[in-house]
Amino acid sequence: GAVVSQHPSWVICKSGTSVKIECRSLDFQATTMFWYRQFPKQSLMLMATSNEGSKATYEQGVEKDKFLINHASLTLSTLTVTSAHPEDSSFYICSARDYQGIDTQYFGPGTRLTVL
Amino acid sequence: QQPVQSPQAVILREGEDAVINCSSSKALYSVHWYRQKHGEAPVFLMILLKGGEQKGHEKISASFNEKKQQSSLYLTASQLSYSGTYFCGTSVYNQGGKLIFGQGTELSVKP
Repeated sequence: GAVVSQHPSWVICKSGTSVKIECRSLDFQATTMFWYRQFPKQSLMLMATSNEGSKATYEQGVEKDKFLINHASLTLSTLTVTSAHPEDSSFYICSARDYQGIDTQYFGPGTRLTVL
Repeated sequence: QQPVQSPQAVILREGEDAVINCSSSKALYSVHWYRQKHGEAPVFLMILLKGGEQKGHEKISASFNEKKQQSSLYLTASQLSYSGTYFCGTSVYNQGGKLIFGQGTELSVKP
């Protein structure tokens, strides 16, 4: 149980384009999902908290207009990186909070974004 | 504020034991431990709750000292599969389950 998927697993795009990343909880409903960014050999940096049916809560220093988050259903949250630039290249990982089992977060496999 | 993990890295031989520590400057509600292998997602290992309840992996144990705001992860009789980077994630009250992760401890188990 507690499986989270992410799509795509990797993406290469040109500077100035937008990229959408999907995060799905496959076997449980997740009213809360989280989006993280991870640079090589570094920790997981929380970007935002995504709540189903309401606006996302962004961490300090994260641009809301650049990283658009939509949590349209109990099993799907999306992160759109708008007008991507090379400095946005990173490993983006989502997690979903499972209230009903052990109340912890289960992570998706991550998306490697490379902006040329 | 980010919790501090120690050590930053450790190398073991198969069968040896290790302890990874996680220390916070804030009063904690829970501590969550994860292991991440290179290029993969973090995998949940254990949660420790205020009040002493533990849930998670059978072969890995941990402790949570609420007064000191510290947690330790105990890896006994290490196996090659234990290699990876270990992260502690801490939560405080009324933060909607948000976790703040430590900088990680890289564990390498050699044959």
